[in-house]
Amino acid sequence: AQSVTQPDIHITVSEGASLELRCNYSYGATPYLFWYVQSPGQGLQLLLKYFSGDTLVQGIKGFEAEFKRSQSSFNLRKPSVHWSDAAEYFCAVVGGLTGGGNKLTFGTGTQLKVEL
Amino acid sequence: EAEVAQSPRYKITEKSQAVAFWCDPISGHATLYWYRQILGQGPELLVQFQDESVVDDSQLPKDRFSAERLKGVDSTLKIQPAELGDSAMYLCASSLWVSGNTGELFFGEGSRLTVL
Repeated sequence: AQSVTQPDIHITVSEGASLELRCNYSYGATPYLFWYVQSPGQGLQLLLKYFSGDTLVQGIKGFEAEFKRSQSSFNLRKPSVHWSDAAEYFCAVVGGLTGGGNKLTFGTGTQLKVEL
Repeated sequence: EAEVAQSPRYKITEKSQAVAFWCDPISGHATLYWYRQILGQGPELLVQFQDESVVDDSQLPKDRFSAERLKGVDSTLKIQPAELGDSAMYLCASSLWVSGNTGELFFGEGSRLTVL
């Protein structure tokens, strides 16, 4: 079965600093990978996704992520963090298709705090 | 922009009572998901529907939880009786059916349950 590990529970960065959130996955075949963001008390919003092709994917809000098969990683990056980026970030993997839908398995999340 | 609607946003109930959550997916989305998110953890899939059929309910505690999507549109998730450990955010999501893959999941804002 597929799994996702987000090793950092909490990360604090200063506004304007660069950011990298780590994600490692476990899946036997080519994974389909996602990053979602969740603001307090809200649902999840998709930041970006990787299915195939270019291993560097661009997302919304200035985020990008790089798929590295050799490291089983899909780390999320942003060159300059804004205070509004403070939220919880979830990495997720699709481990298989059931009836045509996507079955997402989420990591435990990384809580990002931004210092002004 | 079309959204996934959920109600109620907040529910406080006493142990052993019955609770129900409702979800209206984005129009045309054949696949509907219910996720449970315990505080500090990532979302966990409870049940997945393709139209009105259950595709995956392997993680649904069937002794107390039930879910239905009778007409293949909106869905209800019920808990009876509620237990203290059921306190969580219940997230609904929907996606288009695609023959291959790649469908993005769109999440509602969630229903937060507190069991006293």
